[in-house]
Amino acid sequence: DIQMTQSPSSLSASVGDRVTITCRASQSISNYLNWYQQRPGKAPKLLMYAASSLQSGVPPRFSGSGSGTDFTLTISSLQPEDFATYYCQQSYSTPQTFGQGTKVEIK
Amino acid sequence: QVQLVESGGGLVQPGGSLRLSCAASGFTFGDYYMTWIRQAPGKGLDWVSYISSSSSYTNYADSVKGRFTISRDNAKNSLYLQMNSLRAEDTAVYYCARGKQPHKYIYGIDVWGQGTTVTVSS
Repeated sequence: DIQMTQSPSSLSASVGDRVTITCRASQSISNYLNWYQQRPGKAPKLLMYAASSLQSGVPPRFSGSGSGTDFTLTISSLQPEDFATYYCQQSYSTPQTFGQGTKVEIK
Repeated sequence: QVQLVESGGGLVQPGGSLRLSCAASGFTFGDYYMTWIRQAPGKGLDWVSYISSSSSYTNYADSVKGRFTISRDNAKNSLYLQMNSLRAEDTAVYYCARGKQPHKYIYGIDVWGQGTTVTVSS
């Protein structure tokens, strides 16, 4: 199975901050990398797919990059509604494993 | 609108069985891969299983292989997860979810249900 490792596990930031979350795969997954946002008590929401493609309806302050084993999710200017947990997921092979999550908290 | 609604969760004793259902609406169900993903209390997301649009292909996480069976009825727009020999570590919210692109399973999961809670305890 492909292992996905996110860093950091949590971070504190202020509204307006630029935030970057990284995700590393245990082997090359090309660009088959997706990002999700999950607010407490809610189902996850797809933000980015194929590493850098923005899902319809997602604000453009979210962006993704990377290929192979190393990927990043960037929020250019953190908004109050962005405080949540973020997960990466590889869709290169099954099982389509998730990272452990990154919790973005208010500073 | 596009919607997935899970049902069938509940409290079950270790070793017991449960069948989860997911009713789909608002899209052509038979065109999409479907998947089950779970989340234990306070933990991250855990991929469980998927089934292809025509039921030709299925796959399971090692942790549930041989105990869980995924199936679908495209005529009824429904997805199922039969869970046998349940263990305490199967306790989680189970989400039914849809692959983003028709007939493919490579671009993420774009529609999620609200989840149904399964508790395995004596």
